[in-house]
Amino acid sequence: AQSVAQPEDQVNVAEGNPLTVKCTYSVSGNPYLFWYVQYPNRGLQFLLKYITGDNLVKGSYGFEAEFNKSQTSFHLKKPSALVSDSALYFCAVRDMEGGGNKLTFGTGTQLKVEL
Amino acid sequence: DAGVIQSPRHEVTEMGQEVTLRCKPISGHDYLFWYRQTMMRGLELLIYFNNNVPIDDSGMPEDRFSAKMPNASFSTLKIQPSEPRDSAVYFCASSRQGGFGDTQYFGPGTRLTVL
Repeated sequence: AQSVAQPEDQVNVAEGNPLTVKCTYSVSGNPYLFWYVQYPNRGLQFLLKYITGDNLVKGSYGFEAEFNKSQTSFHLKKPSALVSDSALYFCAVRDMEGGGNKLTFGTGTQLKVEL
Repeated sequence: DAGVIQSPRHEVTEMGQEVTLRCKPISGHDYLFWYRQTMMRGLELLIYFNNNVPIDDSGMPEDRFSAKMPNASFSTLKIQPSEPRDSAVYFCASSRQGGFGDTQYFGPGTRLTVL
């Protein structure tokens, strides 16, 4: 079965500094990976996805993610954090069974950006 | 595009009562998903539909839960009778065509509290 792990429950970073939110995956076959963000009392918003191609994927709001096959990682990054980036971030992997329509989510990482 | 619409946004009910959650997917999307989010279990897929037909309901916790999709623009998730352990945020999501690379778009969620 496919799975993702988000090893950090919370990440704190100062505004203006680069941020990284970590995700590692375990799949049988090619990985299809996603990042979502959840603001308080809101639904999940899609940020970016890796399907194939370039290992550096660019997404919404200045976020990008680096796919690393040898390390089975898909870390979310942003060069300069904003206070408004503070939210809950989820990594997800496509379940390859049953036509690939199911997503398995990580436990989430709370990002706190401070002034 | 209006995005995925869910109603109500908040629901408070007493144990034993019937609860109905509603979802309108994005127009033109063929897939609809129901998720549940709790602190203990994170995000769980309950059921998903393709072209109004339930495809996988293996995540539905008990017979007390049922879901229907009578047409392409409307789905319901019903809990009868409700129990306090059903308290959670329930999300509906939709995607255009399914498959490994397709993106799911989430609604704002319904926060259910069962007293």
